[in-house]
This record gives sequence, C-alpha cells and structure tokens, in this order.
Amino acid sequence: RKEVEQDPGPFNVPEGATVAFNCTYSNSASQSFFWYRQDCRKEPKLLMSVYSSGNEDGRFTAQLNRASQYISLLIRDSKLSDSATYLCAVNDPSGAGSYQLTFGKGTKLSVIP
Amino acid sequence: DAGITQSPRHKVTETGTPVTLRCHQTENHRYMYWYRQDPGHGLRLIHYSYGVKDTDKGEVSDGYSVSRSKTEDFLLTLESATSSQTSVYFCAISPTGDYEQYFGPGTRLTVT
Repeated sequence: RKEVEQDPGPFNVPEGATVAFNCTYSNSASQSFFWYRQDCRKEPKLLMSVYSSGNEDGRFTAQLNRASQYISLLIRDSKLSDSATYLCAVNDPSGAGSYQLTFGKGTKLSVIP
Repeated sequence: DAGITQSPRHKVTETGTPVTLRCHQTENHRYMYWYRQDPGHGLRLIHYSYGVKDTDKGEVSDGYSVSRSKTEDFLLTLESATSSQTSVYFCAISPTGDYEQYFGPGTRLTVT
C-alpha cells in the first residue's frame, strides 16, 4: 500500500507566526498533490493543489520536491482562523489506484492569541 | 461549494441491522467516493465509482457494498452493521480520477 506520512502535531504557534508542514509520499510516480483543510467535525475542504513549480495563494505557499518525495505547505502571518487540521493527498497513478487519492492523517495547527 | 449532500447526517443503529447512506451530487461529476474517517486512521477509502454501474473496492471494503444507478447518486450499504463500523462517513466527488476531490458534509454513524 502506498504511504503518505504527515507529522500529526499539534503545532501551536502565536498569531503572526510562519509555520510549515511537510508531507512525504512513497510512490515516485505520483503526479497529483493537494492540501486540504479540515475544521473540527467538518468535512475536508480543498485548500490548494500543488504544482511542480510551486504555487502561492495569499498567505499560503505550496511546494513539491520530487527528488525527496515530499510536499510542503507554508502559512505566513498565521491567523486564529487558520487553526484546523491540514491533510495532504497524493494520487497513485498505477492501475486502479489512478482513480484514488491517498490521504495523510493530518497535521493539527493551533494558532494562539 | 460543490453541490454534494449526504443523508442522513446522523444515525444511531443497532448491531446486525442494515444501513444505507446516500450521497447526492448536482455537479454531474463522473467519479464518486466513499470514505470513513476514524481517529488515528485518517481518511480511508471504502469504495469508489467511475461511472454509472461501475464501482470498485477501496482499502477497507469488507462489510460494505455500494451501488450507483444514476450519475448523481452513490449509495453505501452496511448489510449487517457492527460496532467497528461506528465512524464518520464522507462522500467525495471528482470530475476526473486524478483531479481534486470535493467532500460532502459527512454522516455520523453510531452502531450500538
């Protein structure tokens, strides 16, 4: 089974801090990568896709490192509202797995006033 | 937000009873998925569908069956519920198999 690993945290950071999460994946052939945000007792919501060249959306930056097989999410100027669990997801392009995403267990972030 | 609804949103049932959860989408997406989420395990794929009447097993399919007779509906059935199936069940949809997935609000199922 293909593995996707995340540091479970929790990451407790003060407001305004910069925080980064990593997610490692085992299948070097994976092509699609995503970050999701999940609030307590809610569904996961897509935060951003991760592109080969890296991509930024406001305070959020996603990067892909194919050589070391990990993706990262950087959050700048943390807000209280960023407190959530962040899940990474990776596709498995082999056979039937090409239709599936494998999710990490999530990293919990708490932003403290 | 993607047009995905799940019903029921909460259900308590007894061991041994059959249970059917429904996922309904208004996006006309081809791919639909059923996951369960449990503490310490994260999201695990139960079954998925790549078209009407086309389904396949995921990582934790034992004890579950699915059906998809229309593009918009994907049903998950627990033929005889067990306490180990107490979980939060999420449905997800995707326009293509390797594209991002969008999740429904979830169903909290308790099997007593």
